[in-house]
Amino acid sequence: SQQGEEDPQALSIQEGENATMNCSYKTSINNLQWYRQNSGRGLVHLILIRSNEREKHSGRLRVTLDTSKKSSSLLITASRAADTASYFCATRSGGSNYKLTFGKGTLLTVNP
Amino acid sequence: EPEVTQTPSHQVTQMGQEVILRCVPISNHLYFYWYRQILGQKVEFLVSFYNNEISEKSEIFDDQFSVERPDGSNFTLKIRSTKLEDSAMYFCASSEKIGRMAEAFFGQGTRLTVV
Repeated sequence: SQQGEEDPQALSIQEGENATMNCSYKTSINNLQWYRQNSGRGLVHLILIRSNEREKHSGRLRVTLDTSKKSSSLLITASRAADTASYFCATRSGGSNYKLTFGKGTLLTVNP
Repeated sequence: EPEVTQTPSHQVTQMGQEVILRCVPISNHLYFYWYRQILGQKVEFLVSFYNNEISEKSEIFDDQFSVERPDGSNFTLKIRSTKLEDSAMYFCASSEKIGRMAEAFFGQGTRLTVV
């Protein structure tokens, strides 16, 4: 798989349930970021986790990072219909201060 | 809350025509970027720009593309002679800082359709 691959590709849950999305990457990273994209709209930055951090929280979001497995997970607790969107992980690798490499994303649908 | 704004939201152009996509980054940001997303594919890095010059570009960013900061607020992406495969959503982004911890703020995108 390529740098920044999310799974599952699509996830459908009921409102109130938790949603977990995973991201794997290939090369060593400086940090990993998660973005949300509502249909046809721009990318909204959610959270950044540094390579020396293992877990980070922001509101209903919880991100974990396992550098030994080169993977990250994004957990959204108590999901709402408004959380329906595509979620992308993006990595910034050692060779570049500028370039973010995105995965293909997970399409999350939260049913009311 | 400050945001990156892009115009137009949707542009349709004939193959071979030149297009200019416009962006107004967040006012105190110094680093500017263009990304694109072909329908159903990943968001791809095109170019970064700092201090009036390109700091990094991808292999996608060939001679058909150019960027410019014509004044103190706008940041533009020009495609000289558009091809059908240039059809995509183009995102502008900016960041205050650079480096490992820099958070990039993205605009809403311009959907370019080449016919």
